Amino acid sequence: EAGVAQSPRYKIIEKRQSVAFWCNPISGHATLYWYQQILGQGPKLLIQFQNNGVVDDSQLPKDRFSAERLKGVDSTLKIQPAKLEDSAVYLCASSSSDRANTGELFFGEGSRLTVL
Amino acid sequence: GNSVTQMEGPVTLSEEAFLTINCTYTATGYPSLFWYVQYPGEGLQLLLKATKADDKGSNKGFEATYRKETTSFHLEKGSVQVSDSAVYFCALSDPGGGNKLTFGTGTQLKVEL
Repeated sequence: EAGVAQSPRYKIIEKRQSVAFWCNPISGHATLYWYQQILGQGPKLLIQFQNNGVVDDSQLPKDRFSAERLKGVDSTLKIQPAKLEDSAVYLCASSSSDRANTGELFFGEGSRLTVL
Repeated sequence: GNSVTQMEGPVTLSEEAFLTINCTYTATGYPSLFWYVQYPGEGLQLLLKATKADDKGSNKGFEATYRKETTSFHLEKGSVQVSDSAVYFCALSDPGGGNKLTFGTGTQLKVEL
């Protein structure tokens, strides 16, 4: 079974530029999550999708971050314009409906963003 | 709000040594508790979990017991191996459900021969 795929693995941009990250969850997983992990901190949930609907985006900085999951499968997270403090690893995770409320998430390897 | 505090690393041990990584939490209600592990070059993966007080989660020789009275979920292993070198994250799920996890800052473990 293929795992959660993310791209790009690394991205370096200058502040005020834009960047987009892509995630393909495990086949059949209805729930998709984007986490931000700043160096020295634990992952922090940015947004959670159930199929193509948003369940929780309370910690997403909506003035610069956006995310979509149009067909309920792949997802894209965009940052525009980027700030220095957005330097982090962006983790995508997925979980299946029959494992709801179990805490069992499957994570991708992450996309490391450096903002100069 | 919910929070998780874990001991700072890195923790460096010799092979076959005993491991303890401390984790305490703050939460309203009764969360489920988890340990996730991130091996070098890989994504986070669930190591073990406990869903109610006094439950013990175990996997791959690791154990952790849900202690409600001390709000703790310390990770232990009796004899570590070099292959256990990784970053370990303690986490809790929102008692409201929905798989919403709050993570600690992670503890890096290095095991040497």
